[in-house]
Amino acid sequence: DGGITQSPKYLFRKEGQNVTLSCEQNLNHDAMYWYRQDPGQGLRLIYYSQIVNDFQKGDIAEGYSVSREKKESFPLTVTSAQKNPTAFYLCASSISRTGDEQYFGPGTRLTVT
Amino acid sequence: AQTVTQSQPEMSVQEAETVTLSCTYDTSESDYYLFWYKQPPSRQMILVIRQEAYKQQNATENRFSVNFQKAAKSFSLKISDSQLGDAAMYFCAYRSAYRGGADGLTFGKGTHLIIQP
Repeated sequence: DGGITQSPKYLFRKEGQNVTLSCEQNLNHDAMYWYRQDPGQGLRLIYYSQIVNDFQKGDIAEGYSVSREKKESFPLTVTSAQKNPTAFYLCASSISRTGDEQYFGPGTRLTVT
Repeated sequence: AQTVTQSQPEMSVQEAETVTLSCTYDTSESDYYLFWYKQPPSRQMILVIRQEAYKQQNATENRFSVNFQKAAKSFSLKISDSQLGDAAMYFCAYRSAYRGGADGLTFGKGTHLIIQP
């Protein structure tokens, strides 16, 4: 089955540690995205990538970093510089730069204490 | 920058009845896409319906339909014959048709839909 996988579903970290969230897709999509969701809020765009080895900052990129070394993979690192890292993180992909439908993974709940 | 507003934090409807969720947006662009996504308790985001701004005809998908009013910048979702499985958070989202869609989606804050049996 084609789809987007995110692992793990729940992640716990101590404050001050960097943590990397995984996102893999086998849909052969060119574009990939990371969103953050807080309680009572919609999703906000963190980073996006249209092709391999290229990515751009979204609305709330501070304290996050990404890489896109392979078409299938777009990991997100939450660094210690992110002031409020506890949130639900969703990865998405779309067919191409002009593709307008985004397909979402199941998400990762990150808790930092 | 575009903004999306969902003015109803929560809505409740009896099973088998019809409910309408509201969404307004602000943009200076003339070409764009609008979406409704559903997020059930599993938190998986599921695309419900999409609308292309240059199409005047309202999109429909089975029991789901939209009322797209471009001049009013309004994009409401109507759910007919509500079912228990429709209970979820519903998010309205905007995407520019320019810049190759580089900016991702802009979401509203969501409406929590409750279905009363």
